[in-house]
Amino acid sequence: SQTIHQWPATLVQPVGSPLSLECTVEGTSNPNLYWYRQAAGRGLQLLFYSVGIGQISSEVPQNLSASRPQDRQFILSSKKLLLSDSGFYLCAWGGHMNYGYTFGSGTRLTVV
Amino acid sequence: GIQVEQSPPDLILQEGANSTLRCNFSDSVNNLQWFHQNPWGQLINLFYIPSGTKQNGRLSATTVATERYSLLYISSSQTTDSGVYFCAVEGGSEKLVFGKGMKLTVNP
Repeated sequence: SQTIHQWPATLVQPVGSPLSLECTVEGTSNPNLYWYRQAAGRGLQLLFYSVGIGQISSEVPQNLSASRPQDRQFILSSKKLLLSDSGFYLCAWGGHMNYGYTFGSGTRLTVV
Repeated sequence: GIQVEQSPPDLILQEGANSTLRCNFSDSVNNLQWFHQNPWGQLINLFYIPSGTKQNGRLSATTVATERYSLLYISSSQTTDSGVYFCAVEGGSEKLVFGKGMKLTVNP
């Protein structure tokens, strides 16, 4: 069965520090991978998606970047965090024909 | 891009009551999912339902693709049903677009 792993679960980082969040998928090959952010409140915003190794599409211009160095690995990065980067970050694998999208457990990032 | 609207935005119920959540979308879809976000933030996939009707215990969902809406029914609600419910759709773009969510509070 397919599983998606995301870490760390929580992170507190100072303004100006770098960021690296990792997401890995098991049990499938060549998945479409996604990074979403949920700010305070409820909406989920798509940040990046990737349909293959080295292929990254950005949805929203921002202080973040994404990379896909391996087929089942998706990384979200920043060189210098801003206060506005705080939020809940979710990685997703999708879309399975009969199941749709599956989300990781998320990383709650607080920039102080 | 495709637009997703959920209603009502918030709902407060007494335990044992029934509820209906509605999701309207602006274009044809390949995928529609209902999620429950638990207190820890995890998105739990309730239904993958681009069309038709499905049931899982006290929950059921119906999507009428030709009329561009979906309904999520919760019967005999329990306090553990509390949380935020999201409808999300995928058109032809291989991207899942979320509604703003509906916060459900079930009081004992």
